[in-house]
Amino acid sequence: QSVLTQPPSVSGAPGQRVTISCTGSSSNIGARYDVHWYQQLPGTAPKLLIYGNTYRPSGVPDRFSGSKSGTSASLAITGLQAEDEADYYCQSYDTSLTGYVFGTGTKVTVL
Amino acid sequence: QLQLQESGPGPVKPSETLSLTCTVSGGSINSDSHYWGWIRQPPGKGLEWIGSIYYSGNSYYNASLKSRVSISVDTSKNKFSLRLSSVTAADTAVYYCARQTTWDGRYFDSWGPGTLVTVSS
Repeated sequence: QSVLTQPPSVSGAPGQRVTISCTGSSSNIGARYDVHWYQQLPGTAPKLLIYGNTYRPSGVPDRFSGSKSGTSASLAITGLQAEDEADYYCQSYDTSLTGYVFGTGTKVTVL
Repeated sequence: QLQLQESGPGPVKPSETLSLTCTVSGGSINSDSHYWGWIRQPPGKGLEWIGSIYYSGNSYYNASLKSRVSISVDTSKNKFSLRLSSVTAADTAVYYCARQTTWDGRYFDSWGPGTLVTVSS
């Protein structure tokens, strides 16, 4: 059981905006550790999508954005496209576990 | 362009030791800006960090696996390796190797394609 909780699934029509939450605690996100996000397309390895809470690596469309507040973080996808159908994971560091932790994962479905 | 590739001997029997190697190409493992890590994903489930190592050999592990895990690095061959002992069916997963930054919260910025390891008698 991960210490970072995400909704199992979110869905939206093409062009819509969806958000994915990542809820942690005072020993990880609330302890001011950065949150990062990964996109995992079916049958492939995860790919870095957002790092340092809000930064996009080169090549990641600006439709993807990240934010963090308190003990939670969020990933927003605006202008949803069919190619965005994937699993998304948040990641941070946990002081109680003294290690890196991933969220439970969210499947995004484009209707 | 940096590339990572996992390799291993194939299926593993229960109670035996799982061994995997990650070959790094297009960049040097002798980087003071990066760690090198292992992450796994059981079929249909989420990601779990296993451990990471620095080129100097300093390593750190997931506390839940620490008693069974060992990660080593061979800088002369630009490779690092994972050993997981006393495996059970619960260790069946796709194993990924990845590069991890030493700054900005230490995210994983480059991943190998992954290799499925099945634990079965």
